[in-house]
Amino acid sequence: AQTVTQSQPEMSVQEAETVTLSCTYDTSESDYYLFWYKQPPSRQMILVIRQEAYKQQNATENRFSVNFQKAAKSFSLKISDSQLGDAAMYFCAYRSAIYYGGSQGNLIFGKGTKLSVKP
Amino acid sequence: DSGVTQTPKHLITATGQRVTLRCSPRSGDLSVYWYQQSLDQGLQFLIQYYNGEERAKGNILERFSAQQFPDLHSELNLSSLELGDSALYFCASSVGLYDEQYFGPGTRLTVT
Repeated sequence: AQTVTQSQPEMSVQEAETVTLSCTYDTSESDYYLFWYKQPPSRQMILVIRQEAYKQQNATENRFSVNFQKAAKSFSLKISDSQLGDAAMYFCAYRSAIYYGGSQGNLIFGKGTKLSVKP
Repeated sequence: DSGVTQTPKHLITATGQRVTLRCSPRSGDLSVYWYQQSLDQGLQFLIQYYNGEERAKGNILERFSAQQFPDLHSELNLSSLELGDSALYFCASSVGLYDEQYFGPGTRLTVT
């Protein structure tokens, strides 16, 4: 079974600085997707960025970028020029890309990292 | 706004009771997922429906059941409620089985 681990329960960053959130995962599948979701105090789950495992190029969305290391099964999120609105819980998630005879299309989440942004 | 709607937003009920949570997927989406977010267990997948058929089950208790109707909306039924069932229940939808999932705002269930 696939697992996702976020080893940093809480992180803090100064406004305008850069912060990196860590995520590792375990899978025997070769084709899958990885995601970072943001959950602000409103509790809405917001997709921040996604990475397809077969793509070597790291995904980027404005101030958010990932460092995807497939061999190491590592998927970290870098937030540049941090803003007060970035304060939230961040969840790393895994999803199988195709049917692997037992795997499912649901998301598997890590426990989350609570990010605080200091003004 | 993801286009996924969930009702009610909040629900407070007593132990032993039964409740129904409702989810309307985005227009055109055939797949609906239910997730539970609790302090103890984090975000867990409960069950998935695709075009009216159950497709996958996660850590769903026997006291819980779900269905997807011909108009593709879905309901999650929780019965014999216990204090530990207090959680945020999310519905997500996607076009197909392995496509991008869009989350609704969630239903906050409090069991007293």
